[in-house]
Amino acid sequence: AQSVTQLGSHVSVSEGALVLLRCNYSSSVPPYLFWYVQYPNQGLQLLLKYTSAATLVKGINGFEAEFKKSETSFHLTKPSAHMSDAAEYFCAVSGGFGNEKLTFGTGTRLTIIP
Amino acid sequence: SAVISQKPSRDICQRGTSLTIQCQVDSQVTMMFWYRQQPGQSLTLIATANQGSEATYESGFVIDKFPISRPNLTFSTLTVSNLSPEDSSIYLCSVEDRGGNTIYFGEGSWLTVV
Repeated sequence: AQSVTQLGSHVSVSEGALVLLRCNYSSSVPPYLFWYVQYPNQGLQLLLKYTSAATLVKGINGFEAEFKKSETSFHLTKPSAHMSDAAEYFCAVSGGFGNEKLTFGTGTRLTIIP
Repeated sequence: SAVISQKPSRDICQRGTSLTIQCQVDSQVTMMFWYRQQPGQSLTLIATANQGSEATYESGFVIDKFPISRPNLTFSTLTVSNLSPEDSSIYLCSVEDRGGNTIYFGEGSWLTVV
């Protein structure tokens, strides 16, 4: 079984500041981990994924995440926030190849302060 | 990546009626998934649909309420039956890519029950 905890339902950062969205997971098998973004009134867009290759994963729009097995974490970062980054971000975990059902965290709403 | 089209994108339905949502993928996929996102909430898996077999439902979801069809490898439908206001949600179709390690989502179908 898998679970995901996203710390902070709302995060606000100033434009140009570091973005850090936290995600911790629990999994009984080696996990696949994902970050999705949902812009207002839109569906989910894949930002990046970890599938047991490189632990530092780079995604779209300047985002990256690092898989840390010892900390069971997969935090999402971006060095410099842009106004267009304002959205809802979801961390998700699956049981890996052959077990593609996703378990989602509760989401973090990112607000960018001008 | 997979391109997923959902219809309708939005609908307003009377309570007691049913709504059928269509999901079309631009390539053949083995597994298709249906998720629900209630207002302000995260995503919850409803069921997994494999071509040629009965859908597999998650705990709390039953076939009578959420019948699913999967007639071929590029298409699926989800019906939400006997609608009540509590069914007002976004319903999202998702598929795994050919490599089996990434899940893509459609734009979602916004349902409001009045």
